Amino acid sequence: KAGVTQTPRYLIKTRGQQVTLSCSPISGHRSVSWYQQTPGQGLQFLFEYFSETQRNKGNFPGRFSGRQFSNSRSEMNVSTLELGDSALYLCASSLSLASGSEQYFGPGTRLTVT
Amino acid sequence: AQSVAQPEDQVNVAEGNPLTVKCTYSVSGNPYLFWYVQYPNRGLQFLLKYITGDNLVKGSYGFEAEFNKSQTSFHLKKPSALVSDSALYFCAVRARGLTGGGNKLTFGTGTQLKVEL
Repeated sequence: KAGVTQTPRYLIKTRGQQVTLSCSPISGHRSVSWYQQTPGQGLQFLFEYFSETQRNKGNFPGRFSGRQFSNSRSEMNVSTLELGDSALYLCASSLSLASGSEQYFGPGTRLTVT
Repeated sequence: AQSVAQPEDQVNVAEGNPLTVKCTYSVSGNPYLFWYVQYPNRGLQFLLKYITGDNLVKGSYGFEAEFNKSQTSFHLKKPSALVSDSALYFCAVRARGLTGGGNKLTFGTGTQLKVEL
């Protein structure tokens, strides 16, 4: 079974631009979560989607948004990029919303904002 | 609010020796606890989880973890370390009984494990 895939793997953007990252979960998984990983802040939860609905949201500004499609694929968007948005963005999928379900992570998208 | 502490930024151990990576947590009620490993330029790989039951949990690649409720700890262990175990290890917690369920994980800051010959 294929794992979680994320595209693109690397991105370089300029301050003020916007970016869209894509995530395809493991087949059959309906929950998709996004995390931001930086050296300073570590791993921080962005949001979670299940059945095309946002179920949980972390403490990030409104510039960060996401959505989930009917095939469970998810995208996240960051508008008006800032230098501090440079990070590894990780997508994780899970079979369900049951809190004991483990999440499986993709390889991440490395975003660099200049 | 829930939180995880990994008190050691780095742990060094000789190959063949036992290893321990420490984790303590804070959460309301009973927790779900997880360990993940991250290799350079890769995402996180699931190692093991504690849901309920036996306090000693066995996971992938010979790793195990011991849940201690009184000490709110969930230390990761392996009887005999390998050089290939060198990586960044993350402990994570999720509270039970979240309204509407949910998979939001709160991670520790990570512990770099270095296994030397």
